[in-house]
Amino acid sequence: DQQVKQNSPSLSVQEGRISILNCDYTNSMFDYFLWYKKYPAEGPTFLISISSIKDKNEDGRFTVFLNKSAKHLSLHIVPSQPGDSAVYFCAASAGGAGSYQLTFGKGTKLSVIP
Amino acid sequence: GAVVSQHPSRVICKSGTSVKIECRSLDFQATTMFWYRQFPKQSLMLMATSNEGSKATYEQGVEKDKFLINHASLTLSTLTVASAHPEDSSFYICSARARAERGYTFGSGTRLTVV
Repeated sequence: DQQVKQNSPSLSVQEGRISILNCDYTNSMFDYFLWYKKYPAEGPTFLISISSIKDKNEDGRFTVFLNKSAKHLSLHIVPSQPGDSAVYFCAASAGGAGSYQLTFGKGTKLSVIP
Repeated sequence: GAVVSQHPSRVICKSGTSVKIECRSLDFQATTMFWYRQFPKQSLMLMATSNEGSKATYEQGVEKDKFLINHASLTLSTLTVASAHPEDSSFYICSARARAERGYTFGSGTRLTVV
């Protein structure tokens, strides 16, 4: 039973355009969500997070939107740059930011074409 | 920012030998560290939670006698793959909880190949 789903295994976007990565979850107890970026043979790097009390969080070129009723969140990258090409993982936890157990999606490979 | 150092980054070993992977938090104290495993094109799967000074908590299906975890100090956790077999070949990643607002900091991962 996959509680965090990233249904698009890959996404290609032209440089300068917007990248939108989607994530769905099934566990209504999840209340803290994170996005990580991962290059091959490296550990994930934290990008941005959002608490369930918010519906939007922005950090530079990265914005995460949360739709609790739909159990859906998305990561927007604008403008997309070739260096953004990586695998992006959505993760969720129950119990707030202090909770320790993260449940990850399978990831979406983003390719930004120059 | 918070840094987690993981060593070695890559190891090749013969079947039946044991391999130790170290995970260190360099600039913060981590009472809890986590060990993940990632298969190709798959998600990160939590293997166990490592607590300083106490026994690790293993996820269902993870053999505690094969994946030995020791959290010796507030900055060091080790994962030992005992009597490794080819099916243990994988990418192992540790992480530690730093400032809650910044999420969790991950090590750079260890690629284990058992031949």
